[in-house]
Amino acid sequence: SQQGEEDPQALSIQEGENATMNCSYKTSINNLQWYRQNSGRGLVHLILIRSNEREKHSGRLRVTLDTSKKSSSLLITASRAADTASYFCATDWLQGAQKLVFGQGTRLTINP
Amino acid sequence: DVKVTQSSRYLVKRTGEKVFLECVQDMDHENMFWYRQDPGLGLRLIYFSYDVKMKEKGDIPEGYSVSREKKERFSLILESASTNQTSMYLCASRPYRQGATEAFFGQGTRLTVV
Repeated sequence: SQQGEEDPQALSIQEGENATMNCSYKTSINNLQWYRQNSGRGLVHLILIRSNEREKHSGRLRVTLDTSKKSSSLLITASRAADTASYFCATDWLQGAQKLVFGQGTRLTINP
Repeated sequence: DVKVTQSSRYLVKRTGEKVFLECVQDMDHENMFWYRQDPGLGLRLIYFSYDVKMKEKGDIPEGYSVSREKKERFSLILESASTNQTSMYLCASRPYRQGATEAFFGQGTRLTVV
């Protein structure tokens, strides 16, 4: 399996703090995407970074990509209780058939 | 808004039954996917389809089959349900385009096989 790995598996922080999650993958990619899943629901797309980009911002989200290390990180700044969810990275293989391969996810808990 | 709709949120079936999970998308996307989600294992790809009547196996196709007779509908079939197929099943779709596109997910079907 080419599934990526996320680290940590679980993260618990206080509201207002920043949360950082990491993702590592195994193959060359076209792009990497991050998704959020609220408990028991489907996934929602957050942000996409292409393989020729190093950093991308969207509101309180900052994503970095290091293709030499085959890794990415997602930073959520000034966390809120509503950010409590599971976060997944997904990779689009360079030679894949448009299928997304997901990591195992990080469970983020924001404590009020 | 893109909508991906799965036919059931919760399903309970008996061992040995043939089970159909249906997924419909309303945005004319070429690609559709079935994932299975289990605690600690993340999302694992069962099957995907890039066109009507076209399908490819994902990482864990054993015990499953799929059908895509119309572009908007992608069905997952458990030929003979077993207890180890108790899981959350997620359907997704995404358009085919050069470059990158995001995937849109249904709300999930939690299947219990007893």
